[in-house]
Amino acid sequence: GQSLEQPSEVTAVEGAIVQINCTYQTSGFYGLSWYQQHDGGAPTFLSYNALDGLEETGRFSSFLSRSDSYGYLLLQELQMKDSASYFCAVRDQDDKIIFGKGTRLHILP
Amino acid sequence: DSGVTQTPKHLITATGQRVTLRCSPRSGDLSVYWYQQSLDQGLQFLIQYYNGEERAKGNILERFSAQQFPDLHSELNLSSLELGDSALYFCASSAPLGVQNSPLHFGNGTRLTVT
Repeated sequence: GQSLEQPSEVTAVEGAIVQINCTYQTSGFYGLSWYQQHDGGAPTFLSYNALDGLEETGRFSSFLSRSDSYGYLLLQELQMKDSASYFCAVRDQDDKIIFGKGTRLHILP
Repeated sequence: DSGVTQTPKHLITATGQRVTLRCSPRSGDLSVYWYQQSLDQGLQFLIQYYNGEERAKGNILERFSAQQFPDLHSELNLSSLELGDSALYFCASSAPLGVQNSPLHFGNGTRLTVT
């Protein structure tokens, strides 16, 4: 079956760096994406990796290793507004976009 | 604003009833996806339409059905509702096939409460 595994919760301190990992097992692979969702809100797109390596977008970076079926989202200079749930997602060979269960990020002042 | 419109925002109904959720995709997007999100759960993929045709199906119950109309808006029909169907239902749209790095743009969701 298809599955994406990510930690259910992560806690970090304001101003610090945090990494959220994601491992996946899917039928075909056409890229790993990350989405952010604040409580009561809609998911919003953060980043996308189709090829191995690191993609940087401001304070957020995302990494992919296709050989390891693994990726991570790196958040730097954490701010209180970064408190949210973060989801990894994979587009499979049937064009389905499957999401992980999400990682709730708690930020301490 | 993602450009994806979902109506209604809230829906409260009784068990056994039927409801219809509506979604208008972002201008130019041909794909529409439906997801269910229960409390503290991830986004469960239900079904995807592309330019009016069903393209992929996930863990969608037989009591649920959907369609995409010629104007590309989509409706998700939920029937014989059960308490466990209470959830947030999201619609998302994306660019046409072939643009593989096209992200999903989500609507604000419809919160369904079954009593």
